[in-house]
Parts: sequence; C-alpha cells; structure tokens
Amino acid sequence: KAGVTQTPRYLIKTRGQQVTLSCSPISGHRSVSWYQQTPGQGLQFLFEYFSETQRNKGNFPGRFSGRQFSNSRSEMNVSTLELGDSALYLCASSLGDNQPQHFGDGTRLSIL
Amino acid sequence: GESVGLHLPTLSVQEGDNSIINCAYSNSASDYFIWYKQESGKGPQFIIDIRSNMDKRQGQRVTVLLNKTVKHLSLQIAATQPGDSAVYFCAENIRSGGYQKVTFGTGTKLQVIP
Repeated sequence: KAGVTQTPRYLIKTRGQQVTLSCSPISGHRSVSWYQQTPGQGLQFLFEYFSETQRNKGNFPGRFSGRQFSNSRSEMNVSTLELGDSALYLCASSLGDNQPQHFGDGTRLSIL
Repeated sequence: GESVGLHLPTLSVQEGDNSIINCAYSNSASDYFIWYKQESGKGPQFIIDIRSNMDKRQGQRVTVLLNKTVKHLSLQIAATQPGDSAVYFCAENIRSGGYQKVTFGTGTKLQVIP
C-alpha cells in the first residue's frame, strides 16, 4: 500500500512569490492535514480537510490556504511568500477521527 | 490553553538500555494519544497509540503508558538500538465541535550511544 506522497520534495522561491504544494493521501483516507515544521518548533497545524471540506484551521494568516479534491488529494497554497515561511511542510492522512495520521516526507520550502 | 510539552529535549542512552521519553499534556478532554518517530529528512512515522480508556499498551519493543490523573504520557523503548536514534513526538487528539484537533509536542531527541 503506497504511503502519503508529497511533491515537490524541495522548492526554492523568492519573497513575494506564491507556491502550491501537493499531497496524495493513502488510498481510502479521507482526512488530510497540513503542518508546518521549523527548527526548534514542534509541528504547527495549518488546516485539515475531510471530504473536500475544511474542518479545522490553525493560527496562520490568510496567505495560507488549501483545498481537497474529490479523490482526496490535497493542495496547499502560500501567497506573498515571506522569509519566515521557510520550513518543512508536512501532509498527513488518516481514515478519520481518532485514527493515527500517516505523514509524507514533506516539502522543504526555502525562501530567498 | 491546549498544549503538549516534553520534559527532556535530548535523551542519551547506551545501546541495549531501555529508554523512557516523557510527555505532559494539558487538556483533560483529550481522548487519543499517539507517539511518532521522526528521522532526519523524513516525515514523522507512527509508532504506537493509546486511547483514554486504557493506561498501557504494548507494541514490539515499545510500551506507552498513560496517566490521566497527572496528564502524563510516556514511551518506553526496550533494548534501545542505534536505529532508534531520532526525534520523538507525542500528540494528543481532542474531538471538539464535530472535528478533531491534533496537538503535537515539541519533540525529544533520542541519541543512542553504541
């Protein structure tokens, strides 16, 4: 069974640009969550989607957005990139509530 | 507020010894807890979980203990091996308003000394 796949693995952008990251969940998983991970920080929750609906959102500015498609694949978008957006962005999928989340290996985003 | 914290940011253990990684959580309504292992360059990997109606759960070489009275969670790794070197995160789940919220701790780095 294939795991969670995130593309691209690495990305370099400059300030002011926008970026779209992609996540393909494990087959059959309908919940997809996104996290930001930076050195010295834990995993910071961005948002969660379930059956194409955003169910929960973390404390990030509106520049961070996402969506989920009918096949459960998800994308997140960050507009007007700032230096502080440099991070590892992780996607996790699960069957549903109170089920373990399974993570991809992330997209490493560097802002110059 | 809701938070999950770890007592020890770095833990060094001798190969073959047992490791204990601790985690404190603040939300007494959390009903599901998970431990993850993250190796360099990879995403967190599920290790073991426990629901709030249990106080102990065992896996292969790992045991999770839950003490709801003091809101404490621990991960025990038996016969620690070099391959266990990684950052370990605890996470708590709470169901609120029709959805679940997952909060992760800041992580503990486990260093195994050969």
